Amino acid sequence: AQKVTQAQTEISVVEKEDVTLDCVYETRDTTYYLFWYKQPPSGELVFLIRRNSFDEQNEISGRYSWNFQKSTSSFNFTITASQVVDSAVYFCALYNNNDMRFGAGTRLTVKP
Amino acid sequence: DARVTQTPRHKVTEMGQEVTMRCQPILGHNTVFWYRQTMMQGLELLAYFRNRAPLDDSGMPKDRFSAEMPDATLATLKIQPSEPRDSAVYFCASGRDQNNEQFFGPGTRLTVL
Repeated sequence: AQKVTQAQTEISVVEKEDVTLDCVYETRDTTYYLFWYKQPPSGELVFLIRRNSFDEQNEISGRYSWNFQKSTSSFNFTITASQVVDSAVYFCALYNNNDMRFGAGTRLTVKP
Repeated sequence: DARVTQTPRHKVTEMGQEVTMRCQPILGHNTVFWYRQTMMQGLELLAYFRNRAPLDDSGMPKDRFSAEMPDATLATLKIQPSEPRDSAVYFCASGRDQNNEQFFGPGTRLTVL
């Protein structure tokens, strides 16, 4: 069975701090896709990134970066120089074989 | 700016009543997903359509839930009869391919009394 674990339930940081959100996944398949979504207080889920299992290149997009390590089945997300607007719940998700599994989410609070 | 739309945004009903939630996927998208979000269970995939055909609804309680796509511009999720444990936010998402980015709608917040 597929599973996504986000061990950090809540994280609180002060603005400008860097923060890393952890994601560990389980799957028996070699082909799969990993996602990160952001859910701000408004409630809508916003897509951040998609990664397929054959692409282990790390990615940077502005203040966001992702570290995909197949050896440890992890797909961690780092926000550099966090801002108050980054406050949200962040979900990691795994897709394969018509099955999309979300982690429980990490609530990030960035204080001014 | 294309968006997935969902109606109603909020629904309060009494136990036993039928509830229908509607979703309009983004034009040109061929996949539609229904999710339920609760505090206890988090985000759960209920059903998944590709090219209007249901591919997977194993996450959906079959006795009371049904999902359909009468046409490419409309997806429906129906609960009959509704129960208090169905109270949740129901999200619809659409995409161009099942492996690609899913664009989420704003959700329907359902409260069953």
